[in-house]
Amino acid sequence: QVQLQQSGAELAKPGSSVKISCKASGYTFTSYYISWIKQTTGQGLEYIGYINTGSGGTNYNEKFKGKATLTVDKSSSTAFMQLSSLTPDDSAVYYCARNYYSGERGYWYFDFWGPGTMVTVSS
Amino acid sequence: DIQMTQSPSLLSASVGDRVTLSCKASQNIYKYLNWYQQKLGEAPKLLIYYTNSLQTGIPSRFSGSGSGTDYTLTISSLQPEDVATYFCQQYNSWPGTFGAGTKLELK
Repeated sequence: QVQLQQSGAELAKPGSSVKISCKASGYTFTSYYISWIKQTTGQGLEYIGYINTGSGGTNYNEKFKGKATLTVDKSSSTAFMQLSSLTPDDSAVYYCARNYYSGERGYWYFDFWGPGTMVTVSS
Repeated sequence: DIQMTQSPSLLSASVGDRVTLSCKASQNIYKYLNWYQQKLGEAPKLLIYYTNSLQTGIPSRFSGSGSGTDYTLTISSLQPEDVATYFCQQYNSWPGTFGAGTKLELK
């Protein structure tokens, strides 16, 4: 069965960085993109961007350029998101999700989600 | 970015009720719309993709419809396990944006 396992909660200081992992299992890792989504009580769900797990190519929401860096390790079927120069506004739950895409059919959706990683930024 | 407005923000209904949730886009999104369900403390779960395609394993009481800027998620007969927050998401233009959600509770 498809599973996305995310790394544990992070408590970080302002100005520092964190790197969250998302380990996939139960499917061919490179056949699907991995997307990342931020959830806060105030801003709701925000789409950060995706990584093409086969090529390593990325596409970022303009709002998160310079904040998030997406990478992938195909050998371990793991995607990573690094968040840099952290501020309290980066405190949120971050989800990775398997991203199905079919340009022919017009489909683009997140069909499996990880459990989320809570990041708290506080001095 | 395209703005997605969901209404109502809170909906109270009884078991067995037919429930309709609305999602309005700030511009035409050509049916490129998904619906997700999020239960308390859990990750979102895909219900409907491309406006009206039911995701595998989702009960048939869930359905989606719409076109242009106006979209609807319908639950034909509300069940206790449907208590959750429901989000719509457009993917017509980058970046895909989510609505703020409709919280569905039992009356």
